[in-house]
Amino acid sequence: DVKVTQSSRYLVKRTGEKVFLECVQDMDHENMFWYRQDPGLGLRLIYFSYDVKMKEKGDIPEGYSVSREKKERFSLILESASTNQTSMYLCASSFPGYSPLHFGNGTRLTVT
Amino acid sequence: GQQVMQIPQYQHVQEGEDFTTYCNSSTTLSNIQWYKQRPGGHPVFLIQLVKSGEVKKQKRLTFQFGEAKKNSSLHITATQTTDVGTYFCAGHSNSGYALNFGKGTSLLVTP
Repeated sequence: DVKVTQSSRYLVKRTGEKVFLECVQDMDHENMFWYRQDPGLGLRLIYFSYDVKMKEKGDIPEGYSVSREKKERFSLILESASTNQTSMYLCASSFPGYSPLHFGNGTRLTVT
Repeated sequence: GQQVMQIPQYQHVQEGEDFTTYCNSSTTLSNIQWYKQRPGGHPVFLIQLVKSGEVKKQKRLTFQFGEAKKNSSLHITATQTTDVGTYFCAGHSNSGYALNFGKGTSLLVTP
């Protein structure tokens, strides 16, 4: 069974802190994604990667960066956290093409 | 970018009633995928439709992909309390790597 693991379920950080959200998948998926989920706004794509060291901006990349040094790991970085980045962050992975996404359990980040 | 619109945003039904959520895209889609997210959970893949006019069934759930590949629907017959959750549609455009999600329809079923 596919497992996508996000390092933290809940995280509280202060404004201005650098924040790392980690995601690891065990199915050798080429594609990895970071979404944020907010009430009434659905799932919005922040960044995705279709190969190691490759990254593409999604719909809302501002204030975020990503790192994919190894195939199984995709990190989301908030360079200087702000209160408007308080949200649920979901990592997902998939094979190439139109393969279904497998999501992690999410990290609920609160920035105070 | 590509827009995937989903209606209604919320639906509250009595157990046993039917439910339908609709998904519309501003551009032609290569495929449509449906996901379900239970309260407190993460989205889980339900099904994928690829062909124009395709219809697929999973027990009480019926999924349709429009002839023009710009719209889709999910119909649940005789809802149960286990159907509670948010249903998302998502599609790839003809040129896109990434999946674009609708905002979801939250279904509440009261016994």
